[in-house]
Amino acid sequence: NAGVTQTPKFQVLKTGQSMTLQCAQDMNHEYMSWYRQDPGMGLRLIHYSVGAGITDQGEVPNGYNVSRSTTEDFPLRLLSAAPSQTSVYFCASSSGSRGYTFGSGTRLTVV
Amino acid sequence: DAKTTQPPSMDCAEGRAANLPCNHSTISGNEYVYWYRQIHSQGPQYIIHGLKNNETNEMASLIITEDRKSSTLILPHATLRDTAVYYCIVRVPFDYKLSFGAGTTVTVRA
Repeated sequence: NAGVTQTPKFQVLKTGQSMTLQCAQDMNHEYMSWYRQDPGMGLRLIHYSVGAGITDQGEVPNGYNVSRSTTEDFPLRLLSAAPSQTSVYFCASSSGSRGYTFGSGTRLTVV
Repeated sequence: DAKTTQPPSMDCAEGRAANLPCNHSTISGNEYVYWYRQIHSQGPQYIIHGLKNNETNEMASLIITEDRKSSTLILPHATLRDTAVYYCIVRVPFDYKLSFGAGTTVTVRA
């Protein structure tokens, strides 16, 4: 049981490039979400999903797209990377009232 | 979600109990109290949650006051590995928008 798996662990992008951060969970959780964490700050919600085919915006959705075609996968797409998107990105999943399980993060640098 | 207030930092001696307070004076009747922690550079880790009764698991105990306006997370025998930022969050179970505040930075000293 792998939990929540995020790939890649590290990524450097040039300004304007696009990329997809992958997130997969094997716990059959309905709920998945993406957070970003800037240095010395708390986590901020980007997008979330309450089930396959259903997504919604969080606090800081601009510049990011998501889709949820399966229960297991919830990829986050950066459309045109900007230096302000340099951050650590965490994916999380949950079922019902249980707490969220977080992935180990993707450390993204945009130059 | 109701907001929470936590002290920004606290120290604890290794082997002693660590008592982490959280104020959530505007909590509503159907909101649970959740605790997470984040060890440096890692993803947050779920610790425990409760509604109004005290809860205990293998990691910690959660004490919620009778009026539910505050709670305390207790790490019974703190170790150096418990050094982390601890977040107290209140939410309705099926509201999946977790809101993380600044948390409490706990440093366990040998």
